[in-house]
Amino acid sequence: AQSVTQLGSHVSVSEGALVLLRCNYSSSVPPYLFWYVQYPNQGLQLLLKYTTGATLVKGINGFEAEFKKSETSFHLTKPSAHMSDAAEYFCAVASSGGGADGLTFGKGTHLIIQP
Amino acid sequence: DTGVSQDPRHKITKRGQNVTFRCDPISEHNRLYWYRQTLGQGPEFLTYFQNEAQLEKSRLLSDRFSAERPKGSFSTLEIQRTEQGDSAMYLCASCLGPYYEQYFGPGTRLTVT
Repeated sequence: AQSVTQLGSHVSVSEGALVLLRCNYSSSVPPYLFWYVQYPNQGLQLLLKYTTGATLVKGINGFEAEFKKSETSFHLTKPSAHMSDAAEYFCAVASSGGGADGLTFGKGTHLIIQP
Repeated sequence: DTGVSQDPRHKITKRGQNVTFRCDPISEHNRLYWYRQTLGQGPEFLTYFQNEAQLEKSRLLSDRFSAERPKGSFSTLEIQRTEQGDSAMYLCASCLGPYYEQYFGPGTRLTVT
């Protein structure tokens, strides 16, 4: 079984400040890891993903995340927050074992950008 | 690439009624997933198709829920005898291959009164 824990249901940062959203996962096999963003009343949009290879992954809108196997973490960062980054962010894990199970999501972190 | 579409976007129904939602995946994607998202939670996996075959169902998918994907194209999710606890956003996603990069539709918001 796999699981995802997102620390902090709400994170508030000032515009221009560093954004750090935390994600820890549990998986019995090497994981595939994802960050999605959801704007109000919309579906989820993929920000970035880690499958294999380079552990620092760059995504859209200036976001990046680093896979740290020893810490079972996949934290999302952005150097400088914009007002348009205000949204709900979800970390998700999938098994790389060849199974067809769906993604397991965390409960989400609501990012608030203060002007 | 027109993206994943879902219809309707909103549905209000009375308890005990049946409802059906439709999902049209990205045309070349052979995998299609259904998720349910309640307020303040992340999406939860319901079921999965590869082409027309339904390969996996979550324990969340009670007997009142049924999903189909005839001809491996669009999919429908039916809920019979709706209950207030069924109120949620129902999300559909599709993907091309084994790397689990799923593309999500805008969702269908169900409200059961």
